[in-house]
Amino acid sequence: EIVLTQSPGTLSLSPGESATLSCRASQSVSNSYVAWYQQKPGQAPRPLIYGASSRATGIPDRFSGSGSGTDFTLTISRLEPEDFAVYHCQQYGSSPYSFGQGTKLEIK
Amino acid sequence: EVQLVESGGGLVQPGGSLRLSCVASGFTFNNYAMSWVRQAPGKGLEWVSGISGDTRNTYYADSVKGRFTISRDNSKSTLYLQLNSLRVEDTAVYYCTRYRLFGEPRYSDFWGQGTLVSVSS
Repeated sequence: EIVLTQSPGTLSLSPGESATLSCRASQSVSNSYVAWYQQKPGQAPRPLIYGASSRATGIPDRFSGSGSGTDFTLTISRLEPEDFAVYHCQQYGSSPYSFGQGTKLEIK
Repeated sequence: EVQLVESGGGLVQPGGSLRLSCVASGFTFNNYAMSWVRQAPGKGLEWVSGISGDTRNTYYADSVKGRFTISRDNSKSTLYLQLNSLRVEDTAVYYCTRYRLFGEPRYSDFWGQGTLVSVSS
């Protein structure tokens, strides 16, 4: 089973700044099948990025993903107030499709 | 519009059973694999189980293997999860998601709103 480790656990930033979130896999993720999801309290996760770097439908270009192998990054530029949430990465290259433990992005 | 609506959650004692359902609409159900993902209170997401569109292949997390059974009825566009021998640590919101096993993209692109399972004496 692939274990995903997200860092940092919590990131404190101000609106207008940029955020860089990391997701490291315990072994290489095939085809860079990594997705990122945003989750707000009481809501279901919302897909942001799939295939490490492709934006899901309706996601603004402030959100970008990169990486391959074992290291993946979600970058959010020009943070808006609605971006403060928890972000989860997931690998879907091999079963079981594991998730990271999440990164909380909070307002500084 | 794609919709996934879960039901069947509730309060159950340790050792008990529940069956969760997820009714899908807005897409050709049997063209997609489906999965269950759970989230314990205040915790991260955990992938639980998946099933292929033709029902031939099922997949389970080690934490639920032998206790949970995933199934689907394509004639009713409905996904199920039978939860047996429930433990306190199975307490979570259970989400139904759509994904693909073949073709692209393969990630969970639609999620239901979830149903809460509480296991307590």
